[in-house]
Amino acid sequence: AQKITQTQPGMFVQEKEAVTLDCTYDTSDQSYGLFWYKQPSSGEMIFLIYQGSYDEQNATEGRYSLNFQKARKSANLVISASQLGDSAMYFCAMSNTGGFKTIFGAGTRLFVKA
Amino acid sequence: EADIYQTPRYLVIGTGKKITLECSQTMGHDKMYWYQQDPGMELHLIHYSYGVNSTEKGDLSSESTVSRIRTEHFPLTLESARPSHTSQYLCASSDWTINEQFFGPGTRLTVL
Repeated sequence: AQKITQTQPGMFVQEKEAVTLDCTYDTSDQSYGLFWYKQPSSGEMIFLIYQGSYDEQNATEGRYSLNFQKARKSANLVISASQLGDSAMYFCAMSNTGGFKTIFGAGTRLFVKA
Repeated sequence: EADIYQTPRYLVIGTGKKITLECSQTMGHDKMYWYQQDPGMELHLIHYSYGVNSTEKGDLSSESTVSRIRTEHFPLTLESARPSHTSQYLCASSDWTINEQFFGPGTRLTVL
């Protein structure tokens, strides 16, 4: 069965510093995708970054990068130069390619301190 | 501009009322989803659809029902609302490629 584990319920980071949010996954599929979403207090879910299981390079989108370690089944999100607006819930998610469902982790709440 | 819409954004209603939460998308996606989420908690999949006239129950047991008569429209109905239904309901859609989900703004439901 597929599973996403986020072991950090809450994280604090100083403004302008980098922070890593952990995500491990479990799947028997060979072809899958990994996603990170941000959910501010307003409640909407914002797509941040995607990594395909066959992508050899780590995905990057602006200040976001995904540290993909396939053998360890980890897909950590790295946010560089944290900003106050980064304070939010962050969800890691996984879907098998062409599949019907996406499974989400329990989320990590990030607090950025001024 | 392609997007996904949900109405109403906020709803306060009494116990026993029938309600329908609307969700529409303009991206032509075949797959659509409904999630239930309590504040600050994980998402629970309650219904999904992979095309017109197809609907499936998700991982979380729900007393709601859905329909998919048109590709762009995926409404969720509660026949008799109860306080335990108080939550946020998120609608999403995706295509068949990488399964990136596009989310609507959500409906925050309060049942008194």
